[in-house]
Amino acid sequence: ETGVTQTPRHLVMGMTNKKSLKCEQHLGHNAMYWYKQSAKKPLELMFVYNFKEQTENNSVPSRFSPECPNSSHLFLHLHTLQPEDSALYLCASSQDRGGASYEQYFGPGTRLTVT
Amino acid sequence: KQEVTQIPAALSVPEGENLVLNCSFTDSAIYNLQWFRQDPGKGLTSLLLIQSSQREQTSGRLNASLDKSSGRSTLYIAASQPGDSATYLCAVTSGGSYIPTFGRGTSLIVHP
Repeated sequence: ETGVTQTPRHLVMGMTNKKSLKCEQHLGHNAMYWYKQSAKKPLELMFVYNFKEQTENNSVPSRFSPECPNSSHLFLHLHTLQPEDSALYLCASSQDRGGASYEQYFGPGTRLTVT
Repeated sequence: KQEVTQIPAALSVPEGENLVLNCSFTDSAIYNLQWFRQDPGKGLTSLLLIQSSQREQTSGRLNASLDKSSGRSTLYIAASQPGDSATYLCAVTSGGSYIPTFGRGTSLIVHP
């Protein structure tokens, strides 16, 4: 266990559905991240939050909408997704966004399938 | 833009061998470099983090080195075991942006 939990672990949704992914960290960290991992592609950073403020949006389509109500929780709201959005979505946290000694800790991921 | 390359993409070895996994990056102005392990369908587990001012880090049978000037890091695994089978990823956080860039990983199989 890394101290970062994600729910659900698996999700199948149609293109017209709306769903949300949840991430919670129990490490007292201030920075949280959403990543997308597709087959045969490097891990892609989607969003970064530091002290509840979004600091990075890596040109992510608007059908992905992040929410960070506090430093311990991070959500990814999904709507009108496309089949190519099927992937493993990983959440991570670190002590802070900057700092050379700040390791990232990852959750187990949500396997999303869009039909 | 930082680019991270990992070689080899896949590796299959018998148990007991000492291994070297390579990670190279194009921009040497880095904050840190982190090695991860990922089991199939699972999240990433941090193995070692090397700060830009450090040359190497060790944890058990693992040793990671960093040479910023040549843009390279190596992960050395001593006396490999079947339980080491996984994908190994390196991530470089560039100075200024704080955004980690990941390589595609090295898929390792250690057979008994």
